[in-house]
Amino acid sequence: DIQMTQSPSSLSASVGDRVTITCRASQGIRNDLGWYQQKPGKAPKRLIYATSSLQSGVPSRFSGSGSGTEFTLTISSLQPEDFATYYCLQYNTYPYTFGQGTKLEIK
Amino acid sequence: EVQLVESGGDLVQPGGSLRLSCAASGFTFSSYWMSWVRQAPGKGLEWVANIKQDGSERYYVDSVKGRFTISRDNAKNFLYLQMNSLRAEDTAMYYCASRWVASTATDFWGQGTLVTVSS
Repeated sequence: DIQMTQSPSSLSASVGDRVTITCRASQGIRNDLGWYQQKPGKAPKRLIYATSSLQSGVPSRFSGSGSGTEFTLTISSLQPEDFATYYCLQYNTYPYTFGQGTKLEIK
Repeated sequence: EVQLVESGGDLVQPGGSLRLSCAASGFTFSSYWMSWVRQAPGKGLEWVANIKQDGSERYYVDSVKGRFTISRDNAKNFLYLQMNSLRAEDTAMYYCASRWVASTATDFWGQGTLVTVSS
């Protein structure tokens, strides 16, 4: 199985900060990588697919980059509604695998 | 309005069985792959199973292979997950989802149904 190593596991930041979350795949996954946001008690919501394509309706402060084995999610200027848990997902090979998650908290 | 509504979650003893259902409406259900994704209490997300539009391809995470079966009824717009030989580690919120991976269209998720495996 492809292991997805996500870092950091938690992050404390302020409104207006720029933050970056990283996912590293145990083997190459081309650009078959998505990013998901989940708020407590809610279903996940997709932000990014194919490494860097922004889901319709998602604010442009979210961006994704990378290729092969290393990928990043960047939030350019944190807003209050962005405090949540973020997950990466590889869908290059079955079984699909998620990263462990990054909990983004208010400083 | 697009809706995915899961049901069937319950408290069940280890070794027991349960069938989850997901009722889809507001989109062309038969045109999309469908998935089950779960989340154990306080833990991260785990993909469980996928099924192709016509049911001809199904994929599972290793931990449920041989115990869980994903199926769909395109005439009724329902997705199912038959869960047998349940274990404590299957305790989780189970979400059905569509268009949530590689699709360029908006993703759809249900609200989840809770499965608790305990004696």
